[in-house]
Amino acid sequence: AQSVTQLGSHVSVSEGALVLLRCNYSSSVPPYLFWYVQYPNQGLQLLLKYTTGATLVKGINGFEAEFKKSETSFHLTKPSAHMSDAAEYFCAVSGSGANSKLTFGKGITLSVRP
Amino acid sequence: SQTIHQWPATLVQPVGSPLSLECTVEGTSNPNLYWYRQAAGRGLQLLFYSVGIGQISSEVPQNLSASRPQDRQFILSSKKLLLSDSGFYLCAWLPLAGGYETQYFGPGTRLLVL
Repeated sequence: AQSVTQLGSHVSVSEGALVLLRCNYSSSVPPYLFWYVQYPNQGLQLLLKYTTGATLVKGINGFEAEFKKSETSFHLTKPSAHMSDAAEYFCAVSGSGANSKLTFGKGITLSVRP
Repeated sequence: SQTIHQWPATLVQPVGSPLSLECTVEGTSNPNLYWYRQAAGRGLQLLFYSVGIGQISSEVPQNLSASRPQDRQFILSSKKLLLSDSGFYLCAWLPLAGGYETQYFGPGTRLLVL
């Protein structure tokens, strides 16, 4: 069984400020972890993923996330927010293997203030 | 390159009417295919997945059904829509090559049942 917790539903930051979106997971098997971004009325776009190896993963648009097994966390960060980062962000977990299912958190809406 | 299409993009249907949403994938063979529903503030819920032609697994009991008549075609249907079927429906595919881990999403269909 697996689950994802994204606390809160909305985060607001100023342009140029640090972005930190939190994600905690629960998984009975070694997890694969993902962050997806969704712009209004669009599908989900993969930002980054952790499968194995280096625990700090870098994604598109300057985002990165660190897998911390001891904390069961996979928080998403970006040093300096841009107006174009305003979107909804989803953290997700799956196991390995082709038939493993992807479980999503409820998502966090990021607003960026000028 | 691989692409995923969904249509229609937007649909407004009366309660009790039938539904057919289509998803097609190009540039790949034998992908796993998924239907998700996204309701406001509730994240993404996996409805159905398919590992091959004619093979459908249902994740939650509901008013909807799915079919996979061809390798790269996945259809979501209903005989009689309910108000609660409103939402944003996303199709996703999992390439069965490489690490088997990343699902890629289509642009989605916005369904409003009145």
